[in-house]
Amino acid sequence: DVKVTQSSRYLVKRTGEKVFLECVQDMDHENMFWYRQDPGLGLRLIYFSYDVKMKEKGDIPEGYSVSREKKERFSLILESASTNQTSMYLCASSPPPPQVPHFGDGTRLSIL
Amino acid sequence: AQKITQTQPGMFVQEKEAVTLDCTYDTSDPSYGLFWYKQPSSGEMIFLIYQGSYDQQNATEGRYSLNFQKARKSANLVISASQLGDSAMYFCAMRRNQAGTALIFGKGTTLSVSS
Repeated sequence: DVKVTQSSRYLVKRTGEKVFLECVQDMDHENMFWYRQDPGLGLRLIYFSYDVKMKEKGDIPEGYSVSREKKERFSLILESASTNQTSMYLCASSPPPPQVPHFGDGTRLSIL
Repeated sequence: AQKITQTQPGMFVQEKEAVTLDCTYDTSDPSYGLFWYKQPSSGEMIFLIYQGSYDQQNATEGRYSLNFQKARKSANLVISASQLGDSAMYFCAMRRNQAGTALIFGKGTTLSVSS
């Protein structure tokens, strides 16, 4: 079974902190993604990566950056956390279509 | 532009009844894939079922089936014989034309199953 592991299920940080969310997959997938989920808005794509050191902006990249130094690891970085970044963050990895993207368990991030 | 629309914020059903969760989509690409995911209150996204645009038959996976009506651009999820454990948020999604293999999601439907 594909395993996508997010480093924390729950995280509480303070405004202005630099926050790292880590995601690791064990299936050698080239494509990895970070989504943000808010009530009533569904999941929105923040960033994605299709190879090591390659990254592309999604729909809502402002205030975020990413890092992919190794194929299995995709990190989301909140450069200076703000309260409006309090949300559920979901990482996913995907083999080529038409196969199914797999998600991690999510990180519920609170910025105080 | 691609879009997924789920018009039912919440649905209520009794155990053992069938329920249909609606999903309509918009895309200009003749080749596309549609997904349904389940998200329990614990937060993980569980893949349920997939339908390709060129698949001749509607997809089925156990108690889940996808009512795919291409001309109407709808891909409704049918859950037969609902169980208490089916209570969750359900998301319809489609692969994007761009952004690699990322998905675009609807806003979700919360299903509540009562005994």
